[in-house]
Amino acid sequence: EVQLVESGGDLVQPGGSLRLSCAASGFTFSTYWMDWVRQAPGKGLEWVANIKEDGSKKTYVDSVKGRFTISRDNAKKSLYLQMNDLRAEDTAVYYCARDLLRGACHWGQGILVTVSS
Amino acid sequence: QSVLTQPPSASGTPGQRVTISCSGSTSNIGGNTVSWFHQLPGTAPKLLIYSNNQRPSGVPDRFSGSKSGTSASLAISGLQSEDESDYYCATWDGSLKVVVFGGGTKLTVL
Repeated sequence: EVQLVESGGDLVQPGGSLRLSCAASGFTFSTYWMDWVRQAPGKGLEWVANIKEDGSKKTYVDSVKGRFTISRDNAKKSLYLQMNDLRAEDTAVYYCARDLLRGACHWGQGILVTVSS
Repeated sequence: QSVLTQPPSASGTPGQRVTISCSGSTSNIGGNTVSWFHQLPGTAPKLLIYSNNQRPSGVPDRFSGSKSGTSASLAISGLQSEDESDYYCATWDGSLKVVVFGGGTKLTVL
């Protein structure tokens, strides 16, 4: 069974940092693009970043460029999102997703990040 | 303001057919395939349609997708109460170099 389990969410002060993890199981992690998508409370979905199968290509939405870094460890079957200089507007549920726009798409259950003083 | 435009709400009665539109531009829908997701409150989104009109295994054939030019549509026939959900379209935008989502449509089954 395909599983994606996010962890690392927390309450953090503005300007703080947080690292999200997404543990994958039930499929060959190293053969899929992976994405992070977030959803602010009561709002729609917003794509954050994605990373190629081997980690050689990464793309970000403008609002997080220079602050967030997506990475992966294929040996550990894990996806990461390092978030620095967090702002109130980064408050959201963060989802990791496999193969987001293709037929093998699968989402994790999401993890809440709250940025507040 | 989402790059892809969806109606904020839609409704229908059980058994009816409803459609949800998703309007974009040549840089996104016009040049790339469209996916549709649905999301129940408090749960993660799930894939409903990919590559404009393909259903993943397990998705009933009551759900169908189509694309024409810079617009896409999701049709749900034989509407059921469990179809009450939020629906999102998404695609790659070749100019912005990002994945773009529609703002979402809340479907109510009356």
